[in-house]
Amino acid sequence: KAGVTQTPRYLIKTRGQQVTLSCSPISGHRSVSWYQQTPGQGLQFLFEYFSETQRNKGNFPGRFSGRQFSNSRSEMNVSTLELGDSALYLCASSVGTGGQETQYFGPGTRLLVL
Amino acid sequence: AQSVTQLGSHVSVSEGALVLLRCNYSSSVPPYLFWYVQYPNQGLQLLLKYTSAATLVKGINGFEAEFKKSETSFHLTKPSAHMSDAAEYFCAVSDQVGGNQFYFGTGTSLTVIP
Repeated sequence: KAGVTQTPRYLIKTRGQQVTLSCSPISGHRSVSWYQQTPGQGLQFLFEYFSETQRNKGNFPGRFSGRQFSNSRSEMNVSTLELGDSALYLCASSVGTGGQETQYFGPGTRLLVL
Repeated sequence: AQSVTQLGSHVSVSEGALVLLRCNYSSSVPPYLFWYVQYPNQGLQLLLKYTSAATLVKGINGFEAEFKKSETSFHLTKPSAHMSDAAEYFCAVSDQVGGNQFYFGTGTSLTVIP
């Protein structure tokens, strides 16, 4: 079974631009979560989507948004990019939603904002 | 609220020596606990998880962890370190009803000395 895939793997943007990242979960997985990883803040939860509905949201500004499609693929969008948005963005999928679910992570998209 | 503390951001062990990575959690409800490993430029890979079935949990690559409620700990151990174990290790906690929101520790970088 193919793992979680994320595209693109690397991205360079300038301040003020917007960016869309894509995540394809493992086949059969209905939950997709997004995390931001930075050296200073570590791994921080952005949001989770389950069956096209946002189930949880972390403490990030409204510039960060996401959505999930009927095939469980998910996108996250960051508008009006800031230098501090430079990070590794990780997507994780799981079969269902509930604290005991194992989350399977993709390789991440590394975003650099100049 | 859930949180995780990983003591020691950097741990060095000799090849063949015991690996001990510490994780303490804070949770207002019985937690689900996870250990993940991250190799450079990759996503996170699950090592093992605790979901209340057994307090001693065995994972992949010879790792195991013991859940100790009285100490609110979930330390990761491996009897004999291998060069390939050099990586970043993350402990994470999730609660039972909050969906798939992981709270990660700040990570421990493991160096294995030949």
